[in-house]
Amino acid sequence: NAGVTQTPKFQVLKTGQSMTLQCAQDMNHNSMYWYRQDPGMGLRLIYYSASEGTTDKGEVPNGYNVSRLNKREFSLRLESAAPSQTSVYFCASSVSAYSNQPQHFGDGTRLSIL
Amino acid sequence: QKEVEQDPGPLSVPEGAIVSLNCTYSNSAFQYFMWYRQYSRKGPELLMYTYSSGNKEDGRFTAQVDKSSKYISLFIRDSQPSDSATYLCAMIPVNTGTASKLTFGTGTRLQVTL
Repeated sequence: NAGVTQTPKFQVLKTGQSMTLQCAQDMNHNSMYWYRQDPGMGLRLIYYSASEGTTDKGEVPNGYNVSRLNKREFSLRLESAAPSQTSVYFCASSVSAYSNQPQHFGDGTRLSIL
Repeated sequence: QKEVEQDPGPLSVPEGAIVSLNCTYSNSAFQYFMWYRQYSRKGPELLMYTYSSGNKEDGRFTAQVDKSSKYISLFIRDSQPSDSATYLCAMIPVNTGTASKLTFGTGTRLQVTL
């Protein structure tokens, strides 16, 4: 049982390049989330998708776009990467964003922008 | 002031010790509480999920919630080197019909030494 799978695991970009981070879950969850994790800042929500066909901004959405491709997949796109977007990105899923159920996380994508 | 405060550590204990990890919070709307364990270069893994004040036990782990003091704890008995990780607390407010979002502490790094 894979749970939440993120690709790629590592990536180095140059400033101004674009990139899409992929996430897929096999738990039949309705809701999916993208976070970034920075030292001393904890996990911060970038975007989430409460259900297939919907997306909403989180705490730090600037510079990012998302697509909920289907129930299983939720991608995060950096259109013009900036050094401030160097971070570890985590995808998570839950049964429903409208319930109080916990979220389950993938192992992250480590992104460096030079 | 952050909504959730957590001492970053590091906390170093000898094998076999009882470990106490804590979070305080300021938002009285938080009703659901989680502890996640995060190993280096991995995603957060759900350890404990509790609702309401009191204790919940699972093996060597006990989660304690004191809503009157806005204080939650995770106790680890008979700590093992494999418990060395960063522990994140997370909270969800009472369901208001809108999408619930987790608020995380910044994590406490625990090192269990032989």
